Amino acid sequence: DTEVTQTPKHLVMGMTNKKSLKCEQHMGHRAMYWYKQKAKKPPELMFVYSYEKLSINESVPSRFSPECPNSSLLNLHLHALQPEDSALYLCASSYGTGGGEKLFFGSGTQLSVL
Amino acid sequence: AQSVTQLDSQVPVFEEAPVELRCNYSSSVSVYLFWYVQYPNQGLQLLLKYLSGSTLVKGINGFEAEFNKSQTSFHLRKPSVHISDTAEYFCAVTGGAGSYQLTFGKGTKLSVIP
Repeated sequence: DTEVTQTPKHLVMGMTNKKSLKCEQHMGHRAMYWYKQKAKKPPELMFVYSYEKLSINESVPSRFSPECPNSSLLNLHLHALQPEDSALYLCASSYGTGGGEKLFFGSGTQLSVL
Repeated sequence: AQSVTQLDSQVPVFEEAPVELRCNYSSSVSVYLFWYVQYPNQGLQLLLKYLSGSTLVKGINGFEAEFNKSQTSFHLRKPSVHISDTAEYFCAVTGGAGSYQLTFGKGTKLSVIP
């Protein structure tokens, strides 16, 4: 299994809703990532988990809350989002955390905030 | 800090013609360089990477890239493109072995014309 699976594929939410994005991999990877990608822009790093511990938070607003329950799962909890948070949210994983690691990406969750 | 610049936002090319997508990097330290491809409505997939050693790197789907330290470039090439190569291509960089923060360029949209 060489896939990173993200659910849901599409999500529409209001600004007062609470929702969660889920990501799963069964490749034994020890690093997992959340990226945000606006339309026609490159992905931007949000969070990095290494061995289930949050190691990088790229100054992301607190309305985004990551969680890594175990080495295979990564969640992103969403609360009180703004319309400008509408984007494709990509999860990725890598075997280790060295700079030369290949990242495996999921297909993303397309989020629309109304 | 390191960064990459993709010189062309869009590259149209006829089917079976060769193509070169340009990428220049900037860094004060040794870097690792990557090319990722993103097909419509999908996540990113690694095409190839340069860590060290031979400056000519071969990747998947017939792509190759050449690392040129003196020109700080890492251009991607394919001798003959197919319709299925139509996608967004991202050049990316990390700051060497100790850094796993992948920084992407703005992307180049390759459109293959039948």
